[in-house]
Order: sequence, then C-alpha cells, then structure tokens
Amino acid sequence: GDSVTQMEGPVTLSEEAFLTINCTYTATGYPSLFWYVQYPGEGLQLLLKATKADDKGSNKGFEATYRKETTSFHLEKGSVQVSDSAVYFCALSGGSQGNLIFGKGTKLSVKP
Amino acid sequence: KAGVTQTPRYLIKTRGQQVTLSCSPISGHRSVSWYQQTPGQGLQFLFEYFSETQRNKGNFPGRFSGRQFSNSRSEMNVSTLELGDSALYLCASTPGPGDYEAFFGQGTRLTVV
Repeated sequence: GDSVTQMEGPVTLSEEAFLTINCTYTATGYPSLFWYVQYPGEGLQLLLKATKADDKGSNKGFEATYRKETTSFHLEKGSVQVSDSAVYFCALSGGSQGNLIFGKGTKLSVKP
Repeated sequence: KAGVTQTPRYLIKTRGQQVTLSCSPISGHRSVSWYQQTPGQGLQFLFEYFSETQRNKGNFPGRFSGRQFSNSRSEMNVSTLELGDSALYLCASTPGPGDYEAFFGQGTRLTVV
C-alpha cells in the first residue's frame, strides 16, 4: 500500500542554519504531496503542497519539490528561526481509503 | 472565518467507559475526517464523513464509530475504552470529498486510566 518515510528526528539546529528534512514515498498513481507542521499543543497546519511532478511548493521560507523520479518531497529552509521549532509531517493523498497518509514526523528544535 | 473546533480539548476516562468527541468544521466545509495520533503509531486515519454518510473507514475496530449531522458537525464515539485508546484525536475538514488540503482542529487529548 501507499506509504511515506521521513527522516527520524529529533533534529537540532542553531538559528540561521540550513534545514533539510528528507521525505520519500511509495504510491500507486499520482498523489498530491504535503508538508504539515504541528506546534506544541496544537493540531496540524498545512505548510505547503505540490500536486504534480516537478511542482515546487513554498510557504514562509520553506520549499519542497515533487520529484517523481526519486519519489521524494524533501523539505528545505535556508535559515531557520527559533519559532520554526515544531514537528513536521510529510503526507500524501489518496490512500486506499481516500485519506491522507502521513510519515512518522520529524521533531525540529532550533536553538538561539 | 472560524477554524475547525474540537471539543473537549482534554478528557480523562476509565477503562470500559465510552466517550464522544465533537468536531465542527469550517463553515461551508462538508467533509470531515478523523485521525488518531499516538507516539508509537503516528497519525492513523479513522474515518471520513460527507453529507452525513461515512465514505471511508480506516483499520480500526468496531468500537470506534462516528456520525455526521446535517450541519456537517461530526462526532466520534469510542466504546469500551482500552488503555491503548489514549491518544490525540484530530479532526480535519475539507470543502468536499477528494479535497486533500485539509484543515485540522487542535485535537482532543484522551487519556484512559
């Protein structure tokens, strides 16, 4: 079945460091891909999305490109801030039940 | 525009009891999905409702059920609670089925003791 694999955390970075969180997927068909972010004590917020191969999603300085050839959707940000500390989830659409399928999440801590 | 509202935010229940959680979607959204989030299993799909009908269901036992009302508000019920049901239950709303850009509520934290 469809699945998402993302890098294990936690990831600890200093402020202004470069961030990459790896995400790869397995899917039949052509799913849409998403990154969601969860701040402590909160639900999930959509960070960015891409609906077809080679699309680049971007928001708040974060970017991810839908790579069909490598089945990847890695999240990047050039300069992280303390306020970016959160758990990041990669997800794809269109599971067998027509639902979102999530990776396990990667916890990011940014130190001043 | 109000977001997705889940009530209550926190619940403590005893094994064997039942519980009902509520979700009010964004105004105009007619599809509601429920997810269970645990440290071990991550985010798992429970079910999706649209126009008061369950469209899809995840791989959970029959103790987990839900419904949707004509105003699109949804409830989920868990009967005969087990310790392993302790989790954050998240509700997500979308305008309609097949819309995957989901908007999530803050969740209900259920603790079973």
